Amino acid sequence: ETGVTQTPRHLVMGMTNKKSLKCEQHLGHNAMYWYKQSAKKPLELMFVYSLEERVENNSVPSRFSPECPNSSHLFLHLHTLQPEDSALYLCASSHTRGHYEQYFGPGTRLTVT
Amino acid sequence: LAKTTQPISMDSYEGQEVNITCSHNNIATNDYITWYQQFPSQGPRFIIQGYKTKVTNEVASLFIPADRKSSTLSLPRVSLSDTAVYYCLVGASVPYSGAGSYQLTFGKGTKLSVIP
Repeated sequence: ETGVTQTPRHLVMGMTNKKSLKCEQHLGHNAMYWYKQSAKKPLELMFVYSLEERVENNSVPSRFSPECPNSSHLFLHLHTLQPEDSALYLCASSHTRGHYEQYFGPGTRLTVT
Repeated sequence: LAKTTQPISMDSYEGQEVNITCSHNNIATNDYITWYQQFPSQGPRFIIQGYKTKVTNEVASLFIPADRKSSTLSLPRVSLSDTAVYYCLVGASVPYSGAGSYQLTFGKGTKLSVIP
């Protein structure tokens, strides 16, 4: 499998649930990103990882917890989410941090009930 | 980061050439211009990037005038499958260490609808 993959593609969870989103890149890139895209809003950068180290956290609530165990995998752990957290969560990777060409995964459509 | 302005939406018939213009009046010397395409419920896809004059690849052309305060993405002979949102981004393409980092800042983009 090539490119950036994300699982699951769709997720429905209650506000008291704990779930995790997974991202995997097969491109040999050193940087990975989490973005959030809400309906009718621009993409918002959430987290940036470079060589498995978190280098950016754009004021994201603590109910979102990222994890990067190695340069190919990225997780977003979710707990006690709110309905307004319902959105498309996109993972991306690039050769190095800050590179203009990022490769995006298909996203996880999250619905919080 | 340089602010960009692009039309909210555009319509075009199949087979026509589509030009989407983006304004970026406060572009910095080190900034590059990058365009992405996004289909519904999918992640954005890199289309093309340039610094000045003209860049062409198998998908599109990018025209950048000498003052670099605007750029035009040109899609030749569009088809229904080109219906998507197109984003213009401006920023430094060279990663740097230290506080902060270059990041892609997506605006609202231009929604292109191709009509049969």
